[in-house]
Amino acid sequence: QKEVEQNSGPLSVPEGAIASLNCTYSDRVSQSFFWYRQYSGKSPELIMSIYSNGDKEDGRFTAQLNKASQYVSLLIRDSQPSDSATYLCMKTSYDKVIFGPGTSLSVIP
Amino acid sequence: SAVISQKPSRDICQRGTSLTIQCQVDSQVTMMFWYRQQPGQSLTLIATANQGSEATYESGFVIDKFPISRPNLTFSTLTVSNMSPEDSSIYLCSCLGGLGFYEQYFGPGTRLTVT
Repeated sequence: QKEVEQNSGPLSVPEGAIASLNCTYSDRVSQSFFWYRQYSGKSPELIMSIYSNGDKEDGRFTAQLNKASQYVSLLIRDSQPSDSATYLCMKTSYDKVIFGPGTSLSVIP
Repeated sequence: SAVISQKPSRDICQRGTSLTIQCQVDSQVTMMFWYRQQPGQSLTLIATANQGSEATYESGFVIDKFPISRPNLTFSTLTVSNMSPEDSSIYLCSCLGGLGFYEQYFGPGTRLTVT
């Protein structure tokens, strides 16, 4: 089992809908979780971090963490075509940093 | 957040040669990281570079192939040595920033093609 798994997509949603991106991980010691957005040909940019179980909201983005079930998700409300990108889940456990393979999101106007 | 620049932004190199990539941060940072992202793939950590100590390499990466320098708190270099076409990739440096531990900020990347 890979340490961090994401559906590769592409995930297509209509403009204005909620996009739901999921990430599962394989251990119980991971401490911190991050979502990055990467546009084609660009470097990743940090969207959100989450460290505790529950929800964390920032504008149209909500990160959800459930350590018991070993998953973290990112919800994007009112999706816009500019949200079309690859979304990378990253986790850290002690000094180890692992990126997931990324989910490609396409928001259809 | 930190602002990071990389040079060169892209290069085409011949097999067997070496390329040094420079990474400059606009503020002093303790930890810098070097990643490789092959086409259509996610990021793979090559090594962590702390100022004043030798870089820590991840499994599958060795110092002879990817020597790293970290002469001060704002600068680092990664050399890709004795290149082969398999080294064609995007190389990214990053640093920690913000209030949260391991919130990383990335440079724009160096697109390397080895022929």
